[in-house]
Amino acid sequence: GDSVTQMEGPVTLSEEAFLTINCTYTATGYPSLFWYVQYPGEGLQLLLKATKADDKGSNKGFEATYRKETTSFHLEKGSVQVSDSAVYFCALRSSGSRLTFGEGTQLTVNP
Amino acid sequence: EAQVTQNPRYLITVTGKKLTVTCSQNMNHEYMSWYRQDPGLGLRQIYYSMNVEVTDKGDVPEGYKVSRKEKRNFPLILESPSPNQTSLYFCASSWGGLSGKGEQFFGPGTRLTVL
Repeated sequence: GDSVTQMEGPVTLSEEAFLTINCTYTATGYPSLFWYVQYPGEGLQLLLKATKADDKGSNKGFEATYRKETTSFHLEKGSVQVSDSAVYFCALRSSGSRLTFGEGTQLTVNP
Repeated sequence: EAQVTQNPRYLITVTGKKLTVTCSQNMNHEYMSWYRQDPGLGLRQIYYSMNVEVTDKGDVPEGYKVSRKEKRNFPLILESPSPNQTSLYFCASSWGGLSGKGEQFFGPGTRLTVL
């Protein structure tokens, strides 16, 4: 079945540091890939997505590229801010409407 | 404003006392789903519904029931809650359709504690 594996957290960075959160997946067919973000006390919000191989999703300075050859969708940001502190979830959607989530990665950015 | 609403946001109850968590969306979405979020486990799907009167089990359906009598509402029912159902619950909705590639919109969450 489908599965998503994220790098283990928590991740703690200083402001303006470079961020990478690794995500790899197993799925049949050609899934769509997503990154969701959960700020403290809130529900999940879509951060970015990619629907086919080599697509790059981007939003709010975050980027992720759909790599079919390595089955990966790593999240990156060149310069993190304190306001980026949140939990980040990688997810995939293959057939139908169901989402499969990774475990989530807690990011803390210190001033 | 397009949104998914859940009620209550916080609930403390005792073992065996039936409860219902409501979920409503105003985007005319066909697909709705319930997840639970537990530390180290991410989000796991409890039940989902492809449309009115169509529901199916997700990964962790035991101890839960759902119904979809109207398109906008998808309540989660715990007939006899137990402490292992203490968790953070999220409702989500999205467009369905053959491609099924659309974004899911999440409610704000319901934090349930079963004593």
